[in-house]
Amino acid sequence: GDSVTQMEGPVTLSEEAFLTINCTYTATGYPSLFWYVQYPGEGLQLLLKATKADDKGSNKGFEATYRKETTSFHLEKGSVQVSDSAVYFCALSDPTGGFKTIFGAGTRLFVKA
Amino acid sequence: EAGVTQFPSHSVIEKGQTVTLRCDPISGHDNLYWYRRVMGKEIKFLLHFVKESKQDESGMPNNRFLAERTGGTYSTLKVQPAELEDSGVYFCASSQVYSGNSPLHFGNGTRLTVT
Repeated sequence: GDSVTQMEGPVTLSEEAFLTINCTYTATGYPSLFWYVQYPGEGLQLLLKATKADDKGSNKGFEATYRKETTSFHLEKGSVQVSDSAVYFCALSDPTGGFKTIFGAGTRLFVKA
Repeated sequence: EAGVTQFPSHSVIEKGQTVTLRCDPISGHDNLYWYRRVMGKEIKFLLHFVKESKQDESGMPNNRFLAERTGGTYSTLKVQPAELEDSGVYFCASSQVYSGNSPLHFGNGTRLTVT
């Protein structure tokens, strides 16, 4: 079945460092890909999405490019802030799976001042 | 617009007891989903309602779990009797459109601890 694998955390960075969180997926069809973020004490919220190959999703300085050839959707940010500390979830929605959203295990990010 | 609300935020119960979780989706959202995250692992799908009908309940672990959505508004998830392995965070989400491109709007979750 469909699945999402993302790098284990926690990831600890200093403020203004470059961030990469790796995400790879397996899917039967042609899924849409998402990154969700969960800030402390809150629910998950959509960070960005991409719906087809080579699309780049971006929001709040974060970017991820849908790479069909490597089945990847890595999350990047050029300069992280303390306020970016959160848990990040990679996810996919596959039409052949009834559009059920499948999530990875989450990667916790700590950013130190 | 009010977001997805879940109640309670925390629940601690003993093994064998019953717990009922409630979710109020965003008004007008026909699609309602339940998910669960156990011990820092991936968030797993439990089931999906379209209005009051169960569209997909393939993720429900066993018959100790019962979800309802009477009238197509709020939903409840009952666990009876609870077991230790049911501990985790239960998330509810809703969406207006049922498609692969529609993001999910999540509640803050209910943290269930079974002792």
